[in-house]
Amino acid sequence: AQSVTQPDIHITVSEGASLELRCNYSYGATPYLFWYVQSPGQGLQLLLKYFSGDTLVQGIKGFEAEFKRSQSSFNLRKPSVHWSDAAEYFCAVGASGGSYIPTFGRGTSLIVHP
Amino acid sequence: NAGVTQTPKFQVLKTGQSMTLQCAQDMNHEYMSWYRQDPGMGLRLIHYSVGAGITDQGEVPNGYNVSRSTTEDFPLRLLSAAPSQTSVYFCASSRDRVNTEAFFGQGTRLTVV
Repeated sequence: AQSVTQPDIHITVSEGASLELRCNYSYGATPYLFWYVQSPGQGLQLLLKYFSGDTLVQGIKGFEAEFKRSQSSFNLRKPSVHWSDAAEYFCAVGASGGSYIPTFGRGTSLIVHP
Repeated sequence: NAGVTQTPKFQVLKTGQSMTLQCAQDMNHEYMSWYRQDPGMGLRLIHYSVGAGITDQGEVPNGYNVSRSTTEDFPLRLLSAAPSQTSVYFCASSRDRVNTEAFFGQGTRLTVV
């Protein structure tokens, strides 16, 4: 069965600093991978997705993620964090040979200090 | 463009009561799913559907029923509410097995007392 691990429950960064949120997945074949963001009291919004091709994918709000098959990772990065980026971030894997319903990690809460 | 609409946004139930959470999407998506979100647990899949008339269980199906009579609607029924079902519930839809990007509703915050 597919699974997703987000090892960091909370991450604190200063505004303007760079950010990397970690995500590791477990799946036998090439997965579909996603990052979502959830602002307080809101639903989830897609930041970016990887299906195939270029392993560095660009998303909205200046985010990017890199798929590394050898490390089973799909880490999310942003070069300069803004206070409005404070939110909960979820990594998800959607199997390319299963139910096609995404499995989510437990989330990483991003705190941004001014 | 409404996307995925969930009702109600908030609900308080007494233990043992039943209710239905509504979910509707207007994007003609084949796939629909229900998740519950609890602190520190992420989103856990309750039930999902890959098309009208087809449903299946997810990770935490006990105490919940679903049906999918139309492409647009995917209601979630709580049969006999328990305090352990206090949670935030999200409905999501995705186009098909190729484009699996999920679109989410705004959630229903349910409290069972």
